[in-house]
Amino acid sequence: GNSVTQMEGPVTLSEEAFLTINCTYTATGYPSLFWYVQYPGEGLQLLLKATKADDKGSNKGFEATYRKETTSFHLEKGSVQVSDSAVYFCALALNTGFQKLVFGTGTRLLVSP
Amino acid sequence: DTGVSQDPRHKITKRGQNVTFRCDPISEHNRLYWYRQTLGQGPEFLTYFQNEAQLEKSRLLSDRFSAERPKGSFSTLEIQRTEQGDSAMYLCASSPVGRVVSGANVLTFGAGSRLTVL
Repeated sequence: GNSVTQMEGPVTLSEEAFLTINCTYTATGYPSLFWYVQYPGEGLQLLLKATKADDKGSNKGFEATYRKETTSFHLEKGSVQVSDSAVYFCALALNTGFQKLVFGTGTRLLVSP
Repeated sequence: DTGVSQDPRHKITKRGQNVTFRCDPISEHNRLYWYRQTLGQGPEFLTYFQNEAQLEKSRLLSDRFSAERPKGSFSTLEIQRTEQGDSAMYLCASSPVGRVVSGANVLTFGAGSRLTVL
């Protein structure tokens, strides 16, 4: 079946530290990959995406590269801010006619000043 | 446009009662999705509409659950005879039509309706 595994949290960092949140996937076929972010009291927001192997998604200083050989889509940011504190979800969707997302369990990021 | 709206934001009910959640999608979006998120887990797909047609339902959607989108605009999710295991955040999302690989049909999520069954 299709599944996403991401590192457990919380991840606790100081402001300006480097961030990596690991995500690996299992899928039949060639999925599109996503990172969503959920701030307290708000809906899930798409952070970035990649639709084929070797694509790099980027947004707001965050990056992730679709690695088919390692079935991974790790999220990175060079210098985190307190405002980045949130829960981050890795997800996949098969390239069918509609977007049926399969999510990981989420990783909480806590950034302290 | 104010995005995807969900109502109520929080519902507390007693076991055995019926509850209904409403979702108002972005007006020009043809597709509407319901997901369920339990504590400490990622969202799980429940069902999907294109216009008024319900095109796919997850096995998670037992007979006690029913979703409708009668005019292809807003949608309702009803849970009958609620159980404590139904306690969760129910998320609605909408998107335009388009293939996933094109990146055109990105989902926009609402803030969710949290259900607590006592």
